[in-house]
Amino acid sequence: AQSVAQPEDQVNVAEGNPLTVKCTYSVSGNPYLFWYVQYPNRGLQFLLKYITGDNLVKGSYGFEAEFNKSQTSFHLKKPSALVSDSALYFCAVREEDSSYKLIFGSGTRLLVRP
Amino acid sequence: NAGVTQTPKFRVLKTGQSMTLLCAQDMNHEYMYWYRQDPGMGLRLIHYSVGEGTTAKGEVPDGYNVSRLKKQNFLLGLESAAPSQTSVYFCASRWTPLREAFFGQGTRLTVV
Repeated sequence: AQSVAQPEDQVNVAEGNPLTVKCTYSVSGNPYLFWYVQYPNRGLQFLLKYITGDNLVKGSYGFEAEFNKSQTSFHLKKPSALVSDSALYFCAVREEDSSYKLIFGSGTRLLVRP
Repeated sequence: NAGVTQTPKFRVLKTGQSMTLLCAQDMNHEYMYWYRQDPGMGLRLIHYSVGEGTTAKGEVPDGYNVSRLKKQNFLLGLESAAPSQTSVYFCASRWTPLREAFFGQGTRLTVV
């Protein structure tokens, strides 16, 4: 069965430092991967996606993600963190069958210290 | 362009009561989803629809029913609410499986 794992419940980083939020996946066939961000009391907002092509995907708010097929990972990165980046981040994978379900990881809370 | 709108935003139910959550999207999306979000568990798929008149079960469908009579609306029903259904419910829609999903603001439901 398709699944996605976010091994860290929380990531702490100082403002100005680079950040990484980890995601690994398990699918049959080609993976379609997404990152979303959730601010307090809000719905999820799309950040970026990987469908095919370059392994480094650039998205909104300066975020990028690196697709690594051999390690089945899709880690979210940003070169210089902002306090305003503090939020809950979700990785998601599309199921490779006719149902087109979108499966989410458990989420990682990012806390950026001033 | 309102995007995805969920009604109501908050609700408190007594055990055994029923209610319907409404999700409306104005983007002509084919695919619509209902998720529940619980602390430490991320988003879990309840039911989904791949087009008007279709519905399918997700990961945690028990205790919920859905209907997609019109393309723009996706209704989630609780026939007999239980405290275990206390959660934040999110609706989402998207045009194709390769496109990003758009989410509503959420409905915070408490069952006492």
